[in-house]
Amino acid sequence: KAGVTQTPRYLIKTRGQQVTLSCSPISGHRSVSWYQQTPGQGLQFLFEYFSETQRNKGNFPGRFSGRQFSNSRSEMNVSTLELGDSALYLCASSQRSGANVLTFGAGSRLTVL
Amino acid sequence: AQSVSQHNHHVILSEAASLELGCNYSYGGTVNLFWYVQYPGQHLQLLLKYFSGDPLVKGIKGFEAEFIKSKFSFNLRKPSVQWSDTAEYFCAANNAGNMLTFGGGTRLMVKP
Repeated sequence: KAGVTQTPRYLIKTRGQQVTLSCSPISGHRSVSWYQQTPGQGLQFLFEYFSETQRNKGNFPGRFSGRQFSNSRSEMNVSTLELGDSALYLCASSQRSGANVLTFGAGSRLTVL
Repeated sequence: AQSVSQHNHHVILSEAASLELGCNYSYGGTVNLFWYVQYPGQHLQLLLKYFSGDPLVKGIKGFEAEFIKSKFSFNLRKPSVQWSDTAEYFCAANNAGNMLTFGGGTRLMVKP
């Protein structure tokens, strides 16, 4: 079956802009988690959605937001981009909330200039 | 605060050498433990996991990890590494129902 699909794979934005990233989970998976990966901070949890509800949230500012649709697809949005937002944004899906076993997508690499 | 730490940031080995990557966690209660691997240009993928039971866990590609509760450790081992094991390895942990916390990762380079 198809894996976790993230779009776009690469994007370049300038400071102050906003960006929306998309994630389609594995069919049948209802939980979607988002992580930010940077060389300095490693993998940091952003948020988790299950059945269109945010279940867990990491320690990121309110500029980072997300949502989940009824088909379990998820989007995350970053507004007023800063240089430090440059990162690989990873989406992972699992069958249920609680993130016991995550299947990751390839990520969306965001560069902020 | 809950945390996961990996003490080796970079490891360089020759083929056939033995590997042990350290992982320590700071969690109360029942903890689930994981090792993920990210090969160059590929997705992060699950190597092995521990939920309960036998503290020696075997994963894919000949990897194993041992859960030592008294030491809060979950070290990853492989008796003989191959060039294809070159990758970044992440230890992770959670309490049931909560999000995963990852360690900082260890970059392993295996020289042919």
